[in-house]
Amino acid sequence: GNSVTQMEGPVTLSEEAFLTINCTYTATGYPSLFWYVQYPGEGLQLLLKATKADDKGSNKGFEATYRKETTSFHLEKGSVQVSDSAVYFCALKPYNTNAGKSTFGDGTTLTVKP
Amino acid sequence: EAQVTQNPRYLITVTGKKLTVTCSQNMNHEYMSWYRQDPGLGLRQIYYSMNVEVTDKGDVPEGYKVSRKEKRNFPLILESPSPNQTSLYFCASTVSGRASYEQYFGPGTRLTVT
Repeated sequence: GNSVTQMEGPVTLSEEAFLTINCTYTATGYPSLFWYVQYPGEGLQLLLKATKADDKGSNKGFEATYRKETTSFHLEKGSVQVSDSAVYFCALKPYNTNAGKSTFGDGTTLTVKP
Repeated sequence: EAQVTQNPRYLITVTGKKLTVTCSQNMNHEYMSWYRQDPGLGLRQIYYSMNVEVTDKGDVPEGYKVSRKEKRNFPLILESPSPNQTSLYFCASTVSGRASYEQYFGPGTRLTVT
């Protein structure tokens, strides 16, 4: 079946540091890939997505590139802020008749200190 | 405003007392889903629904029931709650059949079973 493996957390960085959260996946065909963010006390919301190989999703300074050859979708940001402190989830949706069903990683907690 | 709503947001109950958590979306999405979030276990799918009167088990369905009588509503029913169902629950919805569409999440329901 499908699976998503995320870099274990928690991750603690100083403000303006570079961020990478690794995500690799196992799926047949060409799934769509997503990063969701969960701020304290809130539900998940979409951060960015990519729907085909070599696509780059970007939003709020975050980027991730869909790498089919390495089955990866690593999240990066060049300079984190305290407001980026949150839990980040990598997820995939398969490209088949059950495309509504998503598979999520375990989540990575990021804390950014001033 | 496009949104997914859940009620209640917080619930404390006792073992064996039946409860229902409601979920409603106003985006005319076909696909709806329930997840539970537990520390160290990430997000796990409980049940999902592809459309009215069409539901199926997710990864952790034991002890839960759902129904989908209307497109906008997808209640989660715990007929005899137990302490191991203490968790944070999220409802989500998305367009069915399109892998590129992200899920929209509700704000969460924190359930405590004593």
